[in-house]
Amino acid sequence: AQSVSQHNHHVILSEAASLELGCNYSYGGTVNLFWYVQYPGQHLQLLLKYFSGDPLVKGIKGFEAEFIKSKFSFNLRKPSVQWSDTAEYFCAVNAQGDKLIFGTGTRLQVFP
Amino acid sequence: DTGVSQNPRHKITKRGQNVTFRCDPISEHNRLYWYRQTLGQGPEFLTYFQNEAQLEKSRLLSDRFSAERPKGSFSTLEIQRTEQGDSAMYLCASSKLRELFFGSGTQLSVL
Repeated sequence: AQSVSQHNHHVILSEAASLELGCNYSYGGTVNLFWYVQYPGQHLQLLLKYFSGDPLVKGIKGFEAEFIKSKFSFNLRKPSVQWSDTAEYFCAVNAQGDKLIFGTGTRLQVFP
Repeated sequence: DTGVSQNPRHKITKRGQNVTFRCDPISEHNRLYWYRQTLGQGPEFLTYFQNEAQLEKSRLLSDRFSAERPKGSFSTLEIQRTEQGDSAMYLCASSKLRELFFGSGTQLSVL
């Protein structure tokens, strides 16, 4: 069965610090990969997605993620975080069928 | 297009009661998904529809849960004989391709 692991459960950063959130999945075939964000009190929103092609994908608000097939990873990065990036971040994979399987999420807190 | 709409936003019920939630997807989306999310966890897949056909249902889903999408538009999720362990946020999402758009969810509290 597919699964997604997010090893960082809670990350605390100061503004302007760099961010990298880990995501690993378990599935050996073709995958589609996603990062969703949930700001406090809001619904889940798509940050970025990978279907095929360039393994470095850019999303909204300066986020990017790199798909490394050999490592089964899809880590999320941002060079300089802002207070407004405080949110919960979910990695998700779609491998078999149409449903997304989500990780447990990483709570990011950014302090000014 | 106002996105995916879910009603009610909050539901408080007593153990043993039945509850029903409604989801209105984005109008041109043919796929509709139900997820459940508890505190500190990611969304957990429950079931999904393509048009009116229920194509997959999680093996973790109790027989007390049933979902319908009678005309391929809105969907309802019913929980019969609710238990305290059913307390969670119930999320609906819709899609046309592979990107899911989520609603704000229905927060269920079972007392």
